[in-house]
Amino acid sequence: SQTIHQWPATLVQPVGSPLSLECTVEGTSNPNLYWYRQAAGRGLQLLFYSVGIGQISSEVPQNLSASRPQDRQFILSSKKLLLSDSGFYLCAWNSVRNTGELFFGEGSRLTVL
Amino acid sequence: AQSVTQLDSHVSVSEGTPVLLRCNYSSSYSPSLFWYVQHPNKGLQLLLKYTSAATLVKGINGFEAEFKKSETSFHLTKPSAHMSDAAEYFCVVSPDNTDKLIFGTGTRLQVFP
Repeated sequence: SQTIHQWPATLVQPVGSPLSLECTVEGTSNPNLYWYRQAAGRGLQLLFYSVGIGQISSEVPQNLSASRPQDRQFILSSKKLLLSDSGFYLCAWNSVRNTGELFFGEGSRLTVL
Repeated sequence: AQSVTQLDSHVSVSEGTPVLLRCNYSSSYSPSLFWYVQHPNKGLQLLLKYTSAATLVKGINGFEAEFKKSETSFHLTKPSAHMSDAAEYFCVVSPDNTDKLIFGTGTRLQVFP
């Protein structure tokens, strides 16, 4: 069966520090991978999605970047965090066979102080 | 443009009473529609999905939703609320069954004993 792992679960970082959130998927190959952000009291905002290794599409301009160094690994990064980067970050995947349905990780809560 | 509107940001019900969470969509194509549930500090879990088959869709945990094209609605219902139903619920549209999902802003369901 397919599983998705996301870490760390919680993170408290000072303004200006770097960020790295990791996500891996097991049990499937060539998944579509997504990073979403959920700010307090708001819906989910799609940040990045990837249909293959090294292929990253950015949905909104921001202080963050994403990379996909391996087929089932998706990394969300920042060189210098801003206060506004605080939020709940969710990694998700799907495949051509499950088009439209997303499978989510447990999320990473980032607090920037 | 495709969009989804959740008409209530908060819904409160007593345990054992019916639940109604409202969702309206806008789509130029034949959409796929989903309801996801999110418990506190967790990822999202699929409750049910509509993909142009039966208009009444049954999901997990006793939830169901009815696709009404004439009203462009996809409201989520449950005959009898349980305390464990307290969570955030997201209505989601996938325009033309693409990989891009558009999330509503969510409805927080509270269940009182």
